[in-house]
Amino acid sequence: EIVLTQSPATLSLSPGERATLSCRASQSVSSYLAWYQQKPGQAPRLLIYDASNRATGIPARFSGSGSGTDFTLTISSLEPEDFAVYYCQQRSNWGLFTFGPGTKVDIK
Amino acid sequence: QITLKESGPTLVKPTQTLTLTCTFSGFSLSTSGVGVGWIRQPPGKALEWLALIYWNDDKRYSPSLKSRLTITKDTSKNQVVLTMTNMDPVDTATYYCAHIYWGSDWFDPWGQGTLVTVSS
Repeated sequence: EIVLTQSPATLSLSPGERATLSCRASQSVSSYLAWYQQKPGQAPRLLIYDASNRATGIPARFSGSGSGTDFTLTISSLEPEDFAVYYCQQRSNWGLFTFGPGTKVDIK
Repeated sequence: QITLKESGPTLVKPTQTLTLTCTFSGFSLSTSGVGVGWIRQPPGKALEWLALIYWNDDKRYSPSLKSRLTITKDTSKNQVVLTMTNMDPVDTATYYCAHIYWGSDWFDPWGQGTLVTVSS
């Protein structure tokens, strides 16, 4: 089973700052990686798919990069509504899925 | 517009079997390439993928829970059913269903989720 590790666990930043979130896979997942945003009491929302493609309606301040085992989600300038928990998720070659433990972005 | 909604019991006793239904609209599980997955989230914890079924009845299960899970579809009712046997308090979680395409790596959109508590 492919294990995803996210760092940091918590990121304390101010509005307007740049957020850089990391996701590392225990073995290569090619570009089969997605990022989700989850706010309290809500279902996760897809942000990025195939490592670097923004989902429909996602603002351009969100970007994804990476391939293989190392991936990054960048929020170029944090808006008040961006403070949330972010999860990465992979699909293996066998069509199995795993999620990372999440990174909480909170207000400094 | 694709929408999904989970339904089922809010409380189950330890050792019982949980049956959850995902009712969806905006797509059909008779259409090539379409799938529905189940994901859960214990209170305050991370997401965990459980199972997935595609239009062609191809099924995938989380290796750690495979022995306890069964996923089925009823194309005529636009429903996917997940059963989990031998429920335990650690299975207390919000259970989500979500739409996926064959060969893709992402779930979108998701249902609102349903909280299931396991307690005697």
